[in-house]
Amino acid sequence: GDSVTQMEGPVTLSEEAFLTINCTYTATGYPSLFWYVQYPGEGLQLLLKATKADDKGSNKGFEATYRKETTSSHLEKGSVQVSDSAVYFCALSDFQGAQKLVFGQGTRLTINP
Amino acid sequence: DAGVTQSPTHLIKTRGQQVTLRCSPKSGHDTVSWYQQALGQGPQFIFQYYEEEERQRGNFPDRFSGHQFPNYSSELNVNALLLGDSALYLCASTYSGRGRNEQFFGPGTRLTVL
Repeated sequence: GDSVTQMEGPVTLSEEAFLTINCTYTATGYPSLFWYVQYPGEGLQLLLKATKADDKGSNKGFEATYRKETTSSHLEKGSVQVSDSAVYFCALSDFQGAQKLVFGQGTRLTINP
Repeated sequence: DAGVTQSPTHLIKTRGQQVTLRCSPKSGHDTVSWYQQALGQGPQFIFQYYEEEERQRGNFPDRFSGHQFPNYSSELNVNALLLGDSALYLCASTYSGRGRNEQFFGPGTRLTVL
């Protein structure tokens, strides 16, 4: 079945550092890729999506490109803030997001001032 | 515009008991999915409801069942609770029509089984 693997956490950075979180997947067909963020004690919020090969999604300073040839997507931000501390999940879906989401295990990010 | 809402926020049960969790989808959404998130893990898909029927199901036993009502709200029922059922249960809603199909998540129900 479909699966998603994220880089091991936790990740600790200083404020204004550059962030990269790696995600690779295995899937049949042509999935859509999503990045969700979960702040402490809350549910998941959609951060950005990329629905086809070489799509680049962006939101709140975060960017991610859907690399079909390497079956990967890497979440990046040029200058992180303390408020970015959260758990980040990579997920895939087989039909533009309406079908079930398959999540990675999450990467916990802590930003120190 | 209210987002996805879930009730209750927290729940404590003992082994063998039964539990019902509730979810109201975001306005305009007709499809509801349920996920189980164990501590430190990513959410795992339980099932999805559309037009009051189960449309997809993940790898969960029959102890997990659900229902969708005509107003699109949904319930998740778990029978014969096990300690391993302790988790955050997330509900997500989406619109089945063409266009933007992102799933929006509720805050979750934290279930503790003692």
